[in-house]
Formats: sequence, structure tokens, C-alpha cells
Amino acid sequence: ELKVEQNPLFLSMQEGKNYTIYCNYSTTSDRLYWYRQDPGKSLESLFVLLSNGAVKQEGRLMASLDTKARLSTLHITAAVHDLSATYFCAVVQGAQKLVFGQGTRLTINP
Amino acid sequence: DAGVIQSPRHEVTEMGQEVTLRCKPISGHDYLFWYRQTMMRGLELLIYFNNNVPIDDSGMPEDRFSAKMPNASFSTLKIQPSEPRDSAVYFCASSRSGANVLTFGAGSRLTVL
Repeated sequence: ELKVEQNPLFLSMQEGKNYTIYCNYSTTSDRLYWYRQDPGKSLESLFVLLSNGAVKQEGRLMASLDTKARLSTLHITAAVHDLSATYFCAVVQGAQKLVFGQGTRLTINP
Repeated sequence: DAGVIQSPRHEVTEMGQEVTLRCKPISGHDYLFWYRQTMMRGLELLIYFNNNVPIDDSGMPEDRFSAKMPNASFSTLKIQPSEPRDSAVYFCASSRSGANVLTFGAGSRLTVL
């Protein structure tokens, strides 16, 4: 059974700082997703990583994938308050089934 | 594109009542998923369909839950009878074969008293 674990689950940081969220998964997969969820809202797709060594960047967020280590990272550069949200990684099992991590609740303080 | 449309957005009901949640996937998408989100258990996949056929319902909690997809543009998730522990946000999502994006609806927040 595929398990997806995120670390940390809660993260409080100051504006302007850098930090990384980690996502480990237990079995081989060819796709990994990062989603953002604001309180009371739906999930918004951020990145899809398709191959070993894939790196994608959007603004202050950068995601990478190491399929050999079964590890993805979401790096936040010079955090701003607007990035406060819960971030989920999800791994594909089979054709289209996504298994989600527990989520990382990120709070960025002024 | 209107996205994935779910209704109702909020539902408050009493224990024992039947609850029906509805979902309209994005046109052209052949996969449809029902997820449940709670604080304790996070996001759980309940069931998913491909071309209107249920593929994996192993996440459906028990017989009180049922899901149907009578056509490509409509799906329902029914809980009968409902219990307080069913209180959660239920998300519907859809995707297209060969594409790498799963699009979520706004969710249906269910409260069972």
C-alpha cells in the first residue's frame, strides 16, 4: 500500500526566510503533485513532477523530485504572508489514483 | 470552463437522514473521484470512476455510502443513514486520460447533528 508522508506537519516562519517541506513516499510512482489549500477552500494544483530530477518553479516556490530516494521537496524562498496555506503532496498509484500526504500547514508571520 | 461543480456547498442534517451530494465534472474528463477531508484522517479517496464505471471503491467506509455515475456529466455520493462521524468536507475531482492535472471542485461541507 502506497504511503505518503510529509514533514513537517506544521511550520511557522517569518517573512523573508527560506524553508523546505519534505514529501516521502513508499512505493515507485511516475508522478508527484503539489497542491495548495487555503482555509475553507478547495485544492489548487501547483506543480506536477514527472521524472527523476524534475524541478519546477513558480514565483517563490520551487519543487523537485528524486524518484530514487522517493522524495520530493517544496522550497519556499523569501517567504511572504500570502504563501500561508496548507500544502499537500500527492503521489499517483496506478493510472490516475492520487494518494495524499497529511498536509503541511504553513503560517508566515510578518 | 466552469470547472468541477459540486452541490450543495453546505449541508446540515440530523443523524439518520439521507444525504446526497452531487458533482458535475469538467466536460471531456473521463475520470471522476470522490474524496473526503477531515482533520483526523486528512484527504481520503472514497471511490473513483473511469468512463462512468466504478474502478476502485475500496475507500468507501461502509455500506451506508454509495456512489453512482449514470452519465459522463453527473455523479452522486449518497449516505444513508447519515451519522455524526460522517461530518466532513467531500470533494469531487475530475481528470482526463493522458493529462497530468486533477481538478477539484469547491467541496461540499456536511455536518451531521
